Order: sequence, then structure tokens, then C-alpha cells
Amino acid sequence: DGGITQSPKYLFRKEGQNVTLSCEQNLNHDAMYWYRQDPGQGLRLIYYSQIVNDFQKGDIAEGYSVSREKKESFPLTVTSAQKNPTAFYLCASSLGGGELFFGEGSRLTVL
Amino acid sequence: AQSVTQLDSQVPVFEEAPVELRCNYSSSVSVYLFWYVQYPNQGLQLLLKYLSGSTLVKGINGFEAEFNKSQTSFHLRKPSVHISDTAEYFCAVRLSYNTDKLIFGTGTRLQVFP
Repeated sequence: DGGITQSPKYLFRKEGQNVTLSCEQNLNHDAMYWYRQDPGQGLRLIYYSQIVNDFQKGDIAEGYSVSREKKESFPLTVTSAQKNPTAFYLCASSLGGGELFFGEGSRLTVL
Repeated sequence: AQSVTQLDSQVPVFEEAPVELRCNYSSSVSVYLFWYVQYPNQGLQLLLKYLSGSTLVKGINGFEAEFNKSQTSFHLRKPSVHISDTAEYFCAVRLSYNTDKLIFGTGTRLQVFP
């Protein structure tokens, strides 16, 4: 089945550590996105990429980094510079400006 | 800048009753509109979308929404809800000429009681 796979589903991290969230899609979509979800705040865009080897900052990119070396993969690194990283992270993809297809999400907790 | 407002953070309703979840947007140009549903600890699933054409859009699970350009609204409705409809619902907007970003509302928690 085609879809988006995020891993891990749950992740715990100590303060000061970097952590990388994986996102893989087999939908042959060109565009991929990372959103952060906090209670009562909806979804906020972190980074997005429309083609391989290119990506743009979203509304809350500070403390995060991404890469897009392959069409299928768009990993997100939460760095130690992110002040409040505990959140639910959602990866999505789309084909030519249509609707977004979402993964199941990764819940990051900083201890 | 474009924005999306979901006026109700929570909507409680009894099973088999009708429900309306409100969504208003602000944009001076034409937009595409979406409703997504999210069950606990899961990703978002598309319920329905408006791109052009008929202003009444039907989606999955018996939901429908009406695009009202003059009132800049895209309210979601269901004539009879089920316990399984309990979830978070998000309205989203994208500018028709800009394929980069989907802007989301803050969500409405629909709680269906037996």
C-alpha cells in the first residue's frame, strides 16, 4: 500500500540532545512537509520541500533542520537549539498542490 | 496574510443529532479549502475539499461542507453523528496560485455522547 511512514512513533530525549525523525513516502509525491502540533494551536509549518535538494523554512523553522537527498525521504532533525521541542510532529506529502497526505506522526518528549 | 478561524474549540453533541463545525477564512484572492479529521495519536485524514465548481461538497463518513464566498466560510455539517465521529477536526486553506503552504485552523474537538 502506498503511504507515508514516520518513525519512531514515540521518542524520548534528554535536554541538549539532537534527535532525527524519519519520514518516508512511496506515493511518488514531489512535495513534502513537516508540521508541529501542540494542543490548542493547530498545525504549524516547520519546513517544506518541493523538489529534491531544495527546501524552504516554514513559520517555525528555528531549532530545526531538514534534508531532501531523495524524493522519498525528508528527515527532520530537532536540535538542542529548539527551546521547547516536546510536541507531536507530522510529516505530509502532496502532488502538485493538491491535498496533503499525512503520516501517523511522531511524539517527541524531552525529559 | 491568509488565516483560518475555527470559532469553536469544542463541540459536544448527542449521538444521532446534527452537527455543524464552523470555519472562516480571510483571503483577498481565491482559495482552496479542506477539512481534515484526526483521531487520537494519529495523523490527519482528508474528509473533503473544495477546489472549484459546486459550492456544496460531499466527503467521506457522511460529512458535507458548503463554500460561501461572500461570508468567507466553509462550515462542516453532518445530519446525524455517531460515537465514532468523536475526533479533532481541522479546517485548512491554500491560496489557489500558491502550492507551497496549507494554513490550518486551531481545530475543533467534536465529542459525541451516547
